[in-house]
Amino acid sequence: AQSVSQHNHHVILSEAASLELGCNYSYGGTVNLFWYVQYPGQHLQLLLKYFSGDPLVKGIKGFEAEFIKSKFSFNLRKPSVQWSDTAEYFCAVRKNSGYSTLTFGKGTMLLVSP
Amino acid sequence: DAGVTQSPTHLIKTRGQHVTLRCSPISGHKSVSWYQQVLGQGPQFIFQYYEKEERGRGNFPDRFSARQFPNYSSELNVNALLLGDSALYLCASSSVGGSGANVLTFGAGSRLTVL
Repeated sequence: AQSVSQHNHHVILSEAASLELGCNYSYGGTVNLFWYVQYPGQHLQLLLKYFSGDPLVKGIKGFEAEFIKSKFSFNLRKPSVQWSDTAEYFCAVRKNSGYSTLTFGKGTMLLVSP
Repeated sequence: DAGVTQSPTHLIKTRGQHVTLRCSPISGHKSVSWYQQVLGQGPQFIFQYYEKEERGRGNFPDRFSARQFPNYSSELNVNALLLGDSALYLCASSSVGGSGANVLTFGAGSRLTVL
């Protein structure tokens, strides 16, 4: 079974700082990769996804992620965070076959101080 | 368009009781999945249904069951509730085929507290 590891459980940054959240997965086959975000009091929302093609994917609100197959990684980045980026971020992986389901990491809580 | 809707939003039960949670998918989505999210953890897969058939089941005891109706809405049932069943239960829907295939859209969840 696949698993997802998120490196940091809590991250605290000041506004305008750069962000990188680590995500590694364990599955040797073809995968689809996702980052979801959960803002305070809101439901899980898709931030970006990778299915195939260009390993650098761009999502909403200036976020991007890079798929590095050799490292089984899909790190999330943003050059300059804002206070409104305070949220919990979840990395998720899905085997690219049949009715396979999403496996989530434990999440990273990002707090951006103004 | 309405997103994924879940009911009830909050509920409190006591140990040993049972609970039924409901989910209506986005119009046109035929696949529904259920996840359990306990505090401090990522969502854990419980069930996936497509065209009223169970297509996947996570590592949950038989006290958990679900079904999907002809209109693609779904119910999650949990019997003999335990304190450890306290969690946010998330429903997600997805289309099958097309550009949105295999991309889950989540509802706001049903927060279950077991006392």
